[in-house]
Amino acid sequence: GDSVTQMEGPVTLSEEAFLTINCTYTATGYPSLFWYVQYPGEGLQLLLKATKADDKGSNKGFEATYRKETTSFHLEKGSVQVSDSAVYFCALRGTSYGKLTFGQGTILTVHP
Amino acid sequence: DAMVIQNPRYQVTQFGKPVTLSCSQTLNHNVMYWYQQKSSQAPKLLFHYYDKDFNNEADTPDNFQSRRPNTSFCFLDIRSPGLGDAAMYLCATSRGGTPSTDTQYFGPGTRLTVL
Repeated sequence: GDSVTQMEGPVTLSEEAFLTINCTYTATGYPSLFWYVQYPGEGLQLLLKATKADDKGSNKGFEATYRKETTSFHLEKGSVQVSDSAVYFCALRGTSYGKLTFGQGTILTVHP
Repeated sequence: DAMVIQNPRYQVTQFGKPVTLSCSQTLNHNVMYWYQQKSSQAPKLLFHYYDKDFNNEADTPDNFQSRRPNTSFCFLDIRSPGLGDAAMYLCATSRGGTPSTDTQYFGPGTRLTVL
């Protein structure tokens, strides 16, 4: 079945550092890929998405490129801020209707 | 702004006392979902409605039920909450159509405490 694996966390960075959170997936067919962010005590917010190979999703300085050859969708940001501290979930939507398959989540903490 | 709204944001109930959580949407989306998210875990899909068609996940306990009286509203009923049902409950919606490109939008969640 479909699965998503995220790099183990938590990740702790200083403000303005470069961020990478790795995400790899296993799926049949051509899934869509998503990054969601969850701030403490809140629901999930869609951060960015990509629906086909080589697509690059971007939002608020975050980027991720859908790499079919390496089955990856790594999240990057050039300069993180304290306000980026949150839990980040990589997810895929396959051809089976209804379910988003999530990774285990990565806790990001950014210090001033 | 179009959005997904969940009420209440925090709900406290007693062991075994039925509880209902509410979700509404102004996006006019065809599909509504309920997820359970326990502490430090990824969300787990309980069920979803595509219009009026109900789709239950195979491992969703019978204790969890759902109703969708119209396009805008969807309810989660927990008939006899146990301590293990304490969690954040997330409602999401999507337009429907082609599954691989359909995007889900989440509400802020209801945190359920069972005493």
